[in-house]
Amino acid sequence: DARVTQTPRHKVTEMGQEVTMRCQPILGHNTVFWYRQTMMQGLELLAYFRNRAPLDDSGMPKDRFSAEMPDATLATLKIQPSEPRDSAVYFCASAPGLAGVTDTQYFGPGTRLTVL
Amino acid sequence: KQEVTQIPAALSVPEGENLVLNCSFTDSAIYNLQWFRQDPGKGLTSLLLIQSSQREQTSGRLNASLDKSSGRSTLYIAASQPGDSATYLCAVTDSNYQLIWGAGTKLIIKP
Repeated sequence: DARVTQTPRHKVTEMGQEVTMRCQPILGHNTVFWYRQTMMQGLELLAYFRNRAPLDDSGMPKDRFSAEMPDATLATLKIQPSEPRDSAVYFCASAPGLAGVTDTQYFGPGTRLTVL
Repeated sequence: KQEVTQIPAALSVPEGENLVLNCSFTDSAIYNLQWFRQDPGKGLTSLLLIQSSQREQTSGRLNASLDKSSGRSTLYIAASQPGDSATYLCAVTDSNYQLIWGAGTKLIIKP
């Protein structure tokens, strides 16, 4: 049963610390997305990659957030330095084709981040 | 700017009833519309994807319709079960290939 995995599932850290979240997309999926979900803003697209190349990161605060795909089996989202307003659930999703956001997306379980 | 609205924010119905969840969007220039389900503390599961050229999609007890001209979609759930309790979100892919999400409808099915 292929699925998207994310680590860690929960992270509590102090303001100013670096946070790295990892995602393993479904094998063979060409497009990977990072989302953030909060009660106030709902789901927001932060960035997405196609064939490991970043296509759109306009939703991501550039000064502190960075997203990479070192290889086809790993996507990372890094926050440095973290701030309390970054507290949210971060979801990774992958899609099988090259159609980007128009494909059906398969979501991971999320990383719940709390920044104190 | 595309906006997606889901009303009501919460809905509680007895088990066995048929029900309809609503999703509306402000700009009819969309590529597709998707319905997702989110269980507490879990990720999202894609339920149905309707392309802009389609009117409806069906999967089991679920039927989703799309009326682009009026900016509306409905998700029909037949013979509801307690296991259907979850938050249901709709999302449209707009003309800029951005996925725009609704805030969701929290559904509770009472046994």
